[in-house]
Amino acid sequence: DGGITQSPKYLFRKEGQNVTLSCEQNLNHDAMYWYRQDPGQGLRLIYYSQIVNDFQKGDIAEGYSVSREKKESFPLTVTSAQKNPTAFYLCASSPSGTDNQPQHFGDGTRLSIL
Amino acid sequence: AQSVTQPDIHITVSEGASLELRCNYSYGATPYLFWYVQSPGQGLQLLLKYFSGDTLVQGIKGFEAEFKRSQSSFNLRKPSVHWSDAAEYFCATRRREYTDKLIFGTGTRLQVFP
Repeated sequence: DGGITQSPKYLFRKEGQNVTLSCEQNLNHDAMYWYRQDPGQGLRLIYYSQIVNDFQKGDIAEGYSVSREKKESFPLTVTSAQKNPTAFYLCASSPSGTDNQPQHFGDGTRLSIL
Repeated sequence: AQSVTQPDIHITVSEGASLELRCNYSYGATPYLFWYVQSPGQGLQLLLKYFSGDTLVQGIKGFEAEFKRSQSSFNLRKPSVHWSDAAEYFCATRRREYTDKLIFGTGTRLQVFP
């Protein structure tokens, strides 16, 4: 079955450490997205990519970085510059340029600080 | 700025009762509108979407939503709630001229009593 796989499901970060969250999709979607979810705040867009080797900042990109070297993969790095990284992170994808198609979501990664 | 408002943070209903979750959007033209559901620790699943045409939209799991332009609303309804419907529900919108970003409401948590 096609879908989006996020790993790991739980991740712990030490102070000053960078960590990378994985997102892989086999839906053949061009566009991929990273969201951060905090209680009571809904989902906020961190980064998105509409095509390989290109990505744009979302609303809360500071302290995060991404790469898009392959169509199916869009890893997110939470850097030490992100002072409040504890949150639930969701990856999504959608067919790019088809604006009547919704985004599909992975099952998320919960990041906590040690 | 474009926004989505879900006025109810938490709703409690009895199993078998009817349900209506409120969603209001701010946008001059007709937006694309979505309802997603999230079970604890999981990703988001699309319930239904509205792009144009019939203002009453049928979705999965027995849900429906009605687009009312005059009220800038897209409320989600279900005639008879099941205990398995307990989850968090998110309304989202996407501007027609930008196909890459979703704007989410802050969510409504539904609790179902037997």
